[in-house]
Amino acid sequence: GQNIDQPTEMTATEGAIVQINCTYQTSGFNGLFWYQQHAGEAPTFLSYNVLDGLEEKGRFSSFLSRSKGYSYLLLKELQMKDSASYLCAVVMNSGGYQKVTFGTGTKLQVIP
Amino acid sequence: DTGVSQDPRHKITKRGQNVTFRCDPISEHNRLYWYRQTLGQGPEFLTYFQNEAQLEKSRLLSDRFSAERPKGSFSTLEIQRTEQGDSAMYLCASSPRPGSGNTIYFGEGSWLTVV
Repeated sequence: GQNIDQPTEMTATEGAIVQINCTYQTSGFNGLFWYQQHAGEAPTFLSYNVLDGLEEKGRFSSFLSRSKGYSYLLLKELQMKDSASYLCAVVMNSGGYQKVTFGTGTKLQVIP
Repeated sequence: DTGVSQDPRHKITKRGQNVTFRCDPISEHNRLYWYRQTLGQGPEFLTYFQNEAQLEKSRLLSDRFSAERPKGSFSTLEIQRTEQGDSAMYLCASSPRPGSGNTIYFGEGSWLTVV
């Protein structure tokens, strides 16, 4: 089975930096996604990490440590439009295919 | 628009009625997923298709739920004898064939309200 933990809610100030953590326990690990989801909308892809390390993409960066079962999403220069839920999702090899399981999401509120 | 499309976007139905949702994945994506999402929760896995084969079905999917992908392209999710607990957003997603990338692309979702 899988156990994915991320904080339920976070609040940060416009222009600041926020780090959203995700820990997981799984077998057959094959990568980790971060998705952004605005209220009432579908999730949109942010990043996919397979190897250890930090991947930077504009204001967003994602880090993975496979040995620690840990990832974080770093958002810099926060903007009001970044207020959304951020979903951590783990890819697991299951019976010859890849199963993707989502955490419950972290609701980020950006305040002025 | 070449993204994942779902239809209908919203459905209100009376308890006990049957509903069917359709998903058209991105062209040439052979992997297709159905998820269900309720307020404040992450998407919950329901079922997975690779081409026309349904390779996994969650135990969350009771016998009232059935999904098909007859020609390996579009998929349907049918819920029979709907219950109020079925009210949720039903998300369809697709991804390229193995070896061509793992990113999962979601449709806009189909909102179901059972009254």
